[in-house]
Amino acid sequence: QQPVQSPQAVILREGEDAVINCSSSKALYSVHWYRQKHGEAPVFLMILLKGGEQMRHEKISASFNEKKQQSSLYLTASQLSYSGTYFCGTVGSNYKLTFGKGTLLTVNP
Amino acid sequence: DVKVTQSSRYLVKRTGEKVFLECVQDMDHENMFWYRQDPGLGLRLIYFSYDVKMKEKGDIPEGYSVSREKKERFSLILESASTNQTSMYLCASSPLLRATDTQYFGPGTRLTVL
Repeated sequence: QQPVQSPQAVILREGEDAVINCSSSKALYSVHWYRQKHGEAPVFLMILLKGGEQMRHEKISASFNEKKQQSSLYLTASQLSYSGTYFCGTVGSNYKLTFGKGTLLTVNP
Repeated sequence: DVKVTQSSRYLVKRTGEKVFLECVQDMDHENMFWYRQDPGLGLRLIYFSYDVKMKEKGDIPEGYSVSREKKERFSLILESASTNQTSMYLCASSPLLRATDTQYFGPGTRLTVL
């Protein structure tokens, strides 16, 4: 079942913070975060594991709440280069990665 | 670095044509995937392969077939292209099918069916 991402889109000014959420109705083993810039392939950012720690990629961090089957991606002091579509992918007991619909992040000067 | 390549970045075909999309990975990965990406719908899995000559349907397999004769190559086939198959097609590969295995994506093929 496809995870639900929110918000669908967010517009920031450079230096502002944002949070992107990903939730699932099924028990999860891991959550994967990817970023896709316009016209490019999705690129892996980080993975959150069941029982694991909060992860970080540059000034982007993420957490995984196993009880709620939710993950959040935190973008701190956003830069122009953060613009793109962020996808979460969830892995459950079937070990298949299922992607959300994505969140379009636009960072303006 | 893992490299996943796709045969074309842009492709224009006519309704009813047979279309082949090719994907090659150079990291000896067991698993390969074909996704379709449409605005507002995210990445939807068409088919995946977990071994040579082995395949499994994804969420939207109708109108598509796949072929994996060699480990590094995974082909997506549109037997008779239709206009509703106009989309961005992304290929990906991963080492195995574990919770920790990352998928690596190719640059995508934007297919237009006229």
